[in-house]
Amino acid sequence: GENVEQHPSTLSVQEGDSAVIKCTYSDSASNYFPWYKQELGKGPQLIIDIRSNVGEKKDQRIAVTLNKTAKHFSLHITETQPEDSAVYFCAASYFTGNQFYFGTGTSLTVIP
Amino acid sequence: GAVVSQHPSRVICKSGTSVKIECRSLDFQATTMFWYRQFPKQSLMLMATSNEGSKATYEQGVEKDKFLINHASLTLSTLTVTSAHPEDSSFYICSARVVAGVGTDTQYFGPGTRLTVL
Repeated sequence: GENVEQHPSTLSVQEGDSAVIKCTYSDSASNYFPWYKQELGKGPQLIIDIRSNVGEKKDQRIAVTLNKTAKHFSLHITETQPEDSAVYFCAASYFTGNQFYFGTGTSLTVIP
Repeated sequence: GAVVSQHPSRVICKSGTSVKIECRSLDFQATTMFWYRQFPKQSLMLMATSNEGSKATYEQGVEKDKFLINHASLTLSTLTVTSAHPEDSSFYICSARVVAGVGTDTQYFGPGTRLTVL
């Protein structure tokens, strides 16, 4: 089955700096890669996703890049703000499949 | 759009009792709903996949007789923890996948239910 690894497990940045979280996956058949943000005591919220026919996607301060050859994808947050502090999870799945394979999460702290 | 609700948000019960958690997709129909369990500072662990009108598919190691899942409609799935014990205390989260159209491969998560068994 699919194995998703996520790094780093914790990340602290100064407000205004950029944050990058990286994930690798093992199954070349995976073709859908969402990113979720989870605040303490709440459910995960989808923040951005990318499909395998696209190499990069951007939504305001958030961007995701995908390298299918190397089987890794990354989340980029620019101009970080304290409200970006949360746990971020990456995931991988088949386009029409059911199961998401989640990474182990990255706890991001943005220092004011 | 794509809002998923869960009820209750928190529940405290005595050991041996059963607890039912509801998961509803509020503004879309979901043929498939998922139930996850999350321990503190850990990732989401898939417990089972439920499809409307059919039996749930449980992940290895998850007791189907203990965690009863019912998906009676395209907007409602329930998880019942039967004869709960303290080790069942956890954060339970559901998610739903849209039926058709844009984003059919996306899961939208509920806010979670914190279960504490005394």
